[in-house]
Amino acid sequence: RKEVEQDPGPFNVPEGATVAFNCTYSNSASQSFFWYRQDCRKEPKLLMSVYSSGNEDGRFTAQLNRASQYISLLIRDSKLSDSATYLCVVNIPRRLTGGGNKLTFGTGTQLKVEL
Amino acid sequence: DGGITQSPKYLFRKEGQNVTLSCEQNLNHDAMYWYRQDPGQGLRLIYYSQIVNDFQKGDIAEGYSVSREKKESFPLTVTSAQKNPTAFYLCASSMAERGTGTQYFGPGTRLLVL
Repeated sequence: RKEVEQDPGPFNVPEGATVAFNCTYSNSASQSFFWYRQDCRKEPKLLMSVYSSGNEDGRFTAQLNRASQYISLLIRDSKLSDSATYLCVVNIPRRLTGGGNKLTFGTGTQLKVEL
Repeated sequence: DGGITQSPKYLFRKEGQNVTLSCEQNLNHDAMYWYRQDPGQGLRLIYYSQIVNDFQKGDIAEGYSVSREKKESFPLTVTSAQKNPTAFYLCASSMAERGTGTQYFGPGTRLLVL
């Protein structure tokens, strides 16, 4: 099983739609979770951290389900500018990596928002 | 402006040649990282450094080398031993051991083999 798994998509949605992505992780000791956004041929940029209680930032909502080991990202009222690849990122605790803040990246879910 | 810079944006390597990718940050971050991204794959960790004069191998260190002589700089050398170097190389940095885990990325260098 991969450490972090995402559906690669693409998800093609009309402007204004609500879209949700899930991501599963294999290491139950993981403690930090993030969603990054990556535009074509650009570097990843932090979209939001994912907290145990769930968190919202404008049209974006992130949730964590530790029991089932997945995180989710919900985008409401999607815009053309939301078109990008969304990377699920999970932190591996330091004691398991022998030191260092190791992040494991999913392969990303591609979103295309259309008129 | 604080941030991470990488140069060059594009780099061409001939067979058997070593090339060095630059990464500089002025965020006062202790930790720095090098990743490689191939089409359809996630980022893979090459090397990381938590503090000056110290660095550790990541998951795919073979054929690469690094140095960390200054806090601001973490250059990556792609040696001739790396048989498939064509990829998008990303440098990142973070506050070490703060528990947040957030890494910030530079704009990347695309390496192409001629």
